[in-house]
Amino acid sequence: AQSVTQLGSHVSVSEGALVLLRCNYSSSVPPYLFWYVQYPNQGLQLLLKYTSAATLVKGINGFEAEFKKSETSFHLTKPSAHMSDAAEYFCAVSPSGNTGKLIFGQGTTLQVKP
Amino acid sequence: NAGVTQTPKFQVLKTGQSMTLQCAQDMNHEYMSWYRQDPGMGLRLIHYSVGAGITDQGEVPNGYNVSRSTTEDFPLRLLSAAPSQTSVYFCASSLPGPSEAFFGQGTRLTVV
Repeated sequence: AQSVTQLGSHVSVSEGALVLLRCNYSSSVPPYLFWYVQYPNQGLQLLLKYTSAATLVKGINGFEAEFKKSETSFHLTKPSAHMSDAAEYFCAVSPSGNTGKLIFGQGTTLQVKP
Repeated sequence: NAGVTQTPKFQVLKTGQSMTLQCAQDMNHEYMSWYRQDPGMGLRLIHYSVGAGITDQGEVPNGYNVSRSTTEDFPLRLLSAAPSQTSVYFCASSLPGPSEAFFGQGTRLTVV
């Protein structure tokens, strides 16, 4: 069965610092991978997705993620954190290739300090 | 464009009561899903549907029923609420394939 592990339930960075949120997956087949962001009291919004095209995927709000098959990882990065990036971030995998059935990681809360 | 609409936003139930969480989408998406979000556990799939008349169980289906009579609507029914069902519930819709899943704003349910 496929699964997703996010390392670190809480990450704190200073404004302007690098953001790195870690995601590892287990999959017996090439996966489809996603990062979603959830702002307080809101639903989830897609940041970016990997669908076996380019291994470096660019998303909205300056975020990007790199798919590394050898490490089974899909870490999310942003060069310079902004206060508005404070939110909860979820990594997810699609076991069937359809996003009607997603498996989510536990989530990472990003705090941005001024 | 409304997207995915969930009602109600908040609900308090007594143990043993029943209720239906409503979900509607106006994007003509074939796929619809229900997830529950609990602290430290991410989102877990309850039930999903790949089209009108077709539903299947997800990871945590016990205590929940669904049906899909139209493309637009996918209600989630709790037949006899239990405190363990206290959670935030999200409905999502998407097209087939690895497309973007669109989420509603959530329903915060408390069972006392």
